[in-house]
Amino acid sequence: DAGVIQSPRHEVTEMGQEVTLRCKPISGHNSLFWYRQTMMRGLELLIYFNNNVPIDDSGMPEDRFSAKMPNASFSTLKIQPSEPRDSAVYFCASSPRRGRDTGELFFGEGSRLTVL
Amino acid sequence: AQSVAQPEDQVNVAEGNPLTVKCTYSVSGNPYLFWYVQYPNRGLQFLLKYITGDNLVKGSYGFEAEFNKSQTSFHLKKPSALVSDSALYFCAVRITGNQFYFGTGTSLTVIP
Repeated sequence: DAGVIQSPRHEVTEMGQEVTLRCKPISGHNSLFWYRQTMMRGLELLIYFNNNVPIDDSGMPEDRFSAKMPNASFSTLKIQPSEPRDSAVYFCASSPRRGRDTGELFFGEGSRLTVL
Repeated sequence: AQSVAQPEDQVNVAEGNPLTVKCTYSVSGNPYLFWYVQYPNRGLQFLLKYITGDNLVKGSYGFEAEFNKSQTSFHLKKPSALVSDSALYFCAVRITGNQFYFGTGTSLTVIP
C-alpha cells in the first residue's frame, strides 16, 4: 500500500502566482480531506469530499482557493493568486467508508508552501 | 459546538517515566476518538482509536488511551517513555458522517 501521495513536497513561489497541490488517495478510500497546518492556527480542515463530491468547503479561506476531485484517485487544491499568508503545510488525507464510518484518516506527507 | 481540547501545549517527561497527554472533548452524540502523532516534517500518523467496548484502548508503539465518558476525556498514556516518542500529538473526534475535529496538539519532549 503506497499510502496517500502528495506533490509537490515543497513549493516556493512568488505572491500572485498560481499554486496547484496534488493528492492521490489510498486506493479504495472514498473520502478525501484537505487540511492546512500553521503554527498560529494549527490544523484546519479546508474541504472534504465523499465519492468525489465536495461535502463541506466551509473551511476554504476565500475565493482564491478551489479544490477539485475529478475521479476517485486524484484531487487538486489550487490557490490563485497566492499570497504570503497562504504559506503553510497542506495535508491531504483519505478515509475508507465502512458501514458506520469508523475509519480513521490516513495522511500524506504534506506539501510545504512558501509564498514570497 | 463540537470541540476538542488539549490543555497542555507542551509536556516534558524523563525517559523511562510514564507519560500522559491529555484530551477532553465536547460533542453531541457518541464520538469516535483518535490519537495521531506527527514527527517533524511528516504527516500525521494514526496511533489508536476508540469506537466502542473496552474503555482502555491499546495502539501502536506501546501507547494506550483511556476513554472516560463521565469526564469526556481520552488521555493518551505510555508506561515508559522513550526519547523517540518526542513528537507532536493530536487528539481527534469523529462524529456523524465524516466530520473530524482535531485538538491543537501537544508537543511531547522526552528528556534522556
